[in-house]
Amino acid sequence: GENVEQHPSTLSVQEGDSAVIKCTYSDSASNYFPWYKQELGKRPQLIIDIRSNVGEKKDQRIAVTLNKTAKHFSLHITETQPEDSAVYFCAAKEGSARQLTFGSGTQLTVLP
Amino acid sequence: DTEVTQTPKHLVMGMTNKKSLKCEQHMGHRAMYWYKQKAKKPPELMFVYSYEKLSINESVPSRFSPECPNSSLLNLHLHALQPEDSALYLCASSLERGTYEQYFGPGTRLTVT
Repeated sequence: GENVEQHPSTLSVQEGDSAVIKCTYSDSASNYFPWYKQELGKRPQLIIDIRSNVGEKKDQRIAVTLNKTAKHFSLHITETQPEDSAVYFCAAKEGSARQLTFGSGTQLTVLP
Repeated sequence: DTEVTQTPKHLVMGMTNKKSLKCEQHMGHRAMYWYKQKAKKPPELMFVYSYEKLSINESVPSRFSPECPNSSLLNLHLHALQPEDSALYLCASSLERGTYEQYFGPGTRLTVT
């Protein structure tokens, strides 16, 4: 089955700086890679996703890049703000499977 | 509308109680999911329903019993739970075909005493 590794487990940045979270996956058949943001006590919220026919996708301050050859994908947050502080989970999904395989999560703290 | 709702928000139950968690979506999604999440951990898949039929059971103990009465509703019946079952229980839904996005409900915070 699929295995997703996520790094780092914790990340602190100064407000205004950029943050990068990286994930690697094991199954070359995976073709869908979402990122979820979960604030304390709240639901995981889908913030951006990418499919394997695309190398990069951007939505305002958030971008995701995918390298299928190396089997890794990354979340980039620019101009970080205190409200970006949360746990971020990457995930991967293989083919037509209905299951998402999640990474272990990254606690991002944006310091004012 | 990308809204999945869950009730109750919080639940405290004893080990001999029977209770149910409810989930509802009106997005026309045909796949619905139950996840269990412990603090600072990723969601763990428990069950998947596809077109109102149970398609995945991730070896969940029988004290958790899912039910999908119709395409918009998903229940999780709880009986004889253990303290280690205390967690956030999340419901999610997605379109069965064409798109893969899973949208989560706000969860039920369950405490077993």
